[in-house]
Amino acid sequence: GENVEQHPSTLSVQEGDSAVIKCTYSDSASNYFPWYKQELGKGPQLIIDIRSNVGEKKDQRIAVTLNKTAKHFSLHITETQPEDSAVYFCAAPEYNNNDMRFGAGTRLTVKP
Amino acid sequence: KAGVTQTPRYLIKTRGQQVTLSCSPISGHRSVSWYQQTPGQGLQFLFEYFSETQRNKGNFPGRFSGRQFSNSRSEMNVSTLELGDSALYLCASAATSSYNEQFFGPGTRLTVL
Repeated sequence: GENVEQHPSTLSVQEGDSAVIKCTYSDSASNYFPWYKQELGKGPQLIIDIRSNVGEKKDQRIAVTLNKTAKHFSLHITETQPEDSAVYFCAAPEYNNNDMRFGAGTRLTVKP
Repeated sequence: KAGVTQTPRYLIKTRGQQVTLSCSPISGHRSVSWYQQTPGQGLQFLFEYFSETQRNKGNFPGRFSGRQFSNSRSEMNVSTLELGDSALYLCASAATSSYNEQFFGPGTRLTVL
């Protein structure tokens, strides 16, 4: 079945720096890759997603890149701000069992 | 547009009891998925409902069940609670499928004593 691995588990950056979080997946049939941000006491919030027919997608300071051959996708946050501090999750569908598999999460801390 | 709402937000139960959690999806969304979130296991898929039918099910024991009503609202039930069931239970709604944009509610924090 689908195995989604996410790295790093924690990431600390200075305000204004860039942050990159990487995920790998195993199911070659996967074609939808969302990223979620979860703040303390809240549910995950969809921040960006990408489908397998494109290699990159951008939304202001956030971008996601996808390499289907290597089965990995990454979240890029530029010009980080303290309010970017949260736990970020990647996910990929597991078609055999018909569910979404989530990475273990990355705790991002942006120091002012 | 109102977001996904979940009730109650917090719940304390004792072992052996049962619990019912409720989720109201975004208006117009027909897919409702439930997830369990724990520090040790992360986010794990429980099941997905679409048009009152369970479409997908994760790898959880039969003590975990759910249902969806004609207005797309969903409930999940856990019977014979165990200490290990303590978790944040999240509901997510999507227009048609969990393989598309999902929007999560704030979750219900269940503590089993």
